[in-house]
Amino acid sequence: NAGVTQTPKFRVLKTGQSMTLLCAQDMNHEYMYWYRQDPGMGLRLIHYSVGEGTTAKGEVPDGYNVSRLKKQNFLLGLESAAPSQTSVYFCASSYGRGLNQPQHFGDGTRLSIL
Amino acid sequence: GENVEQHPSTLSVQEGDSAVIKCTYSDSASNYFPWYKQELGKGPQLIIDIRSNVGEKKDQRIAVTLNKTAKHFSLHITETQPEDSAVYFCAASIPGGYQKVTFGTGTKLQVIP
Repeated sequence: NAGVTQTPKFRVLKTGQSMTLLCAQDMNHEYMYWYRQDPGMGLRLIHYSVGEGTTAKGEVPDGYNVSRLKKQNFLLGLESAAPSQTSVYFCASSYGRGLNQPQHFGDGTRLSIL
Repeated sequence: GENVEQHPSTLSVQEGDSAVIKCTYSDSASNYFPWYKQELGKGPQLIIDIRSNVGEKKDQRIAVTLNKTAKHFSLHITETQPEDSAVYFCAASIPGGYQKVTFGTGTKLQVIP
């Protein structure tokens, strides 16, 4: 049982390049989330999904797009990377029904934009 | 929207001593309060959580208390060990929708052997 798996673990991009971060969960969770973590700012929600085929904006969505074509996968895209997007990105998933449930996190993707 | 404040930002304790991290929240609708531990190079991992209908919860050396009236909750770690060294995040979650979670800014705990 792998839980939440993120790929790649590290990446360096040049300004203006594009890339996709991959997240996969094997817990059959309904809800999935993308966060960014910056020093002193905790975790901030970028986008989230409450089910296959549905996505919505979080607190800091500008410059990012997402897709959830399959229940187990949630993709985060950067169309034109900017230095301000240098961060550690975490994907999380949760059961999503009934009472609030804890989120399960991957180990992150460390992204540097030069 | 919800605002979660966490103190202190750094905490150093001697091995065997207790550590306390405090958080306050602003939205009275919040009813679920998880605590996460993040080790270097890893993602946050749930260590304990508490719901608003409970005032205290304990799991071995870790306990969490909740004061709904004052809107604050705390993490208590007793008999600290070097492996407790990590960054700890509190969070508050409101019911419904996508179960929005607001995180505190984290406390870096260092346990000195």
